[in-house]
Amino acid sequence: DAGITQSPRHKVTETGTPVTLRCHQTENHRYMYWYRQDPGHGLRLIHYSYGVKDTDKGEVSDGYSVSRSKTEDFLLTLESATSSQTSVYFCAISEQLAGVINEQFFGPGTRLTVL
Amino acid sequence: AQTVTQSQPEMSVQEAETVTLSCTYDTSENNYYLFWYKQPPSRQMILVIRQEAYKQQNATENRFSVNFQKAAKSFSLKISDSQLGDTAMYFCAFMTYAGNNRKLIWGLGTSLAVNP
Repeated sequence: DAGITQSPRHKVTETGTPVTLRCHQTENHRYMYWYRQDPGHGLRLIHYSYGVKDTDKGEVSDGYSVSRSKTEDFLLTLESATSSQTSVYFCAISEQLAGVINEQFFGPGTRLTVL
Repeated sequence: AQTVTQSQPEMSVQEAETVTLSCTYDTSENNYYLFWYKQPPSRQMILVIRQEAYKQQNATENRFSVNFQKAAKSFSLKISDSQLGDTAMYFCAFMTYAGNNRKLIWGLGTSLAVNP
């Protein structure tokens, strides 16, 4: 299994508080992604990174920011959490080798509840 | 806009039988990758099978195979000899790769129940 961990695995917080989720990989993969998964919406991309300090927005980036200061860590921050951000958050990684794009490998997910 | 449609929100199959999950997609790109992922109740996302669009031969992985029809933009998944452990949500996704874009476009999933 790809070495991807997410922390915390579960979190309950209150509206208006800042929250940071961490994704850590040991695979030295270039690409990292943050998704949220909600019933009826499938997986939606929040932000992704294509290298250290190189990030781009996904389809649901409002209210979220990311940082990647080193290859192995990709942080997702909710500056001021809202109840609409209650969700399961997945991190994923992928790599491209010899021109072949590999599939995305997923972390175990973080269940976030905003009260 | 690039989209993925899975027209079967729920399906069921008897153990040992064969089931086919449908997926259609829309893109103007000619080069892309297609994937089927499985998400069992444990919530872990697991790759089932992948297909490169430039390959005409359909991908197979043990009991899992695809029927890739590029002109029709169709990418169905066939599960043979269904097992109880195949019970899961199945997601179809595709990825184009222009520039630094490595984003997956996802369908909403098909919930598959394998009955004993």
